[in-house]
Amino acid sequence: SQKIEQNSEALNIQEGKTATLTCNYTNYSPAYLQWYRQDPGRGPVFLLLIRENEKEKRKERLKVTFDTTLKQSLFHITASQPADSATYLCALAPPPQKVTFGIGTKLQVIP
Amino acid sequence: DGGITQSPKYLFRKEGQNVTLSCEQNLNHDAMYWYRQDPGQGLRLIYYSQIVNDFQKGDIAEGYSVSREKKESFPLTVTSAQKNPTAFYLCASSISWSTTNEKLFFGSGTQLSVL
Repeated sequence: SQKIEQNSEALNIQEGKTATLTCNYTNYSPAYLQWYRQDPGRGPVFLLLIRENEKEKRKERLKVTFDTTLKQSLFHITASQPADSATYLCALAPPPQKVTFGIGTKLQVIP
Repeated sequence: DGGITQSPKYLFRKEGQNVTLSCEQNLNHDAMYWYRQDPGQGLRLIYYSQIVNDFQKGDIAEGYSVSREKKESFPLTVTSAQKNPTAFYLCASSISWSTTNEKLFFGSGTQLSVL
């Protein structure tokens, strides 16, 4: 069966360091992969999308990589700040769109 | 401001009662979705609608019903047949169903609890 795995344990990191979150998937051939941020009691907010033919995507302090051979995406936040503390969700979709989400990784940036 | 509005923020259901969660969007999006989020689980798709007057079951549709009479509105009814309704419910929309790179826009969610 199709499966998306994110590290369900919280990731604690010191302010100013780079946070790296992992998303692994099996039995999927996604056309693209998305990352969302979710704060407690709120809906997810879209951050980045990367297509299967792209290796890397950047937006300000965010960087996403997509390795279709390893079936893995890495999500990096450089120069992390306490305001980056949230749960980050990985989402995949084969065409047509029917987005499937991982459980998310909770990131805590410690001042 | 454009966006998705869900109401109420908190909702309590009594035994045997049907409750309806509201979702309205002014983004002019064709596609709308309902997800359920439980602690320790990813978002699970309940129903989706590609266009007005059309909707399809998602992965966990049993005990739920929807309607899509207007483009802007996609209400979700949690029926008494749903035996474990306590969860955080999220409504989302996207520009269209047919393209392959559409990001989802989410509302702020409704927390449903059973009395």
